[in-house]
Amino acid sequence: GDSVTQMEGPVTLSEEAFLTINCTYTATGYPSLFWYVQYPGEGLQLLLKATKADDKGSNKGFEATYRKETTSFHLEKGSVQVSDSAVYFCALSRDSNYQLIWGAGTKLIIKP
Amino acid sequence: SAVISQKPSRDICQRGTSLTIQCQVDSQVTMMFWYRQQPGQSLTLIATANQGSEATYESGFVIDKFPISRPNLTFSTLTVSNMSPEDSSIYLCSVEYGPPYEQYFGPGTRLTVT
Repeated sequence: GDSVTQMEGPVTLSEEAFLTINCTYTATGYPSLFWYVQYPGEGLQLLLKATKADDKGSNKGFEATYRKETTSFHLEKGSVQVSDSAVYFCALSRDSNYQLIWGAGTKLIIKP
Repeated sequence: SAVISQKPSRDICQRGTSLTIQCQVDSQVTMMFWYRQQPGQSLTLIATANQGSEATYESGFVIDKFPISRPNLTFSTLTVSNMSPEDSSIYLCSVEYGPPYEQYFGPGTRLTVT
């Protein structure tokens, strides 16, 4: 069945460092791919998404490119801030239904 | 976008009791979802609740334990019945809204069972 695999956390970086959180997926066909973020004490928010191969989703300085050849959707940011500390979830959905398949989540800690 | 509220935001309950969680959306939506997020873990879908039909439960979740109501297009409830400490978790309501169709999440209900 469909699945999503994320790099394990926590990931600890210094402010202004470059961030990559790896996400790979297993699915037949062409799923849509998402990154959600959960800030401490808050609900999940959609960060960005891509719906077809080679699409790049971007928001708040974060980017992720839908790579069908490597079945990946890695999250990147050029210069992280303390306020980016959160848990990041990669997810996919099939076009035929809107259920999301979730990765395990990666906790990001940014130190000043 | 859709704005979702949940009540209560948190509760501490005794073993064997039941808790009903409410989910209110500011727009009419067809599909609503209930998730469980256990501490430090990812989300697990409990059920999908479409207005006018019975909820569809995922493997490992049953209606007797997690009855769901969906009386209209903006509201749903999830009841956690006969609770045990293993039910301690965050329960999240989400909706599919658009176009473009995206899932929006409520702030969650943090449940502790003692």
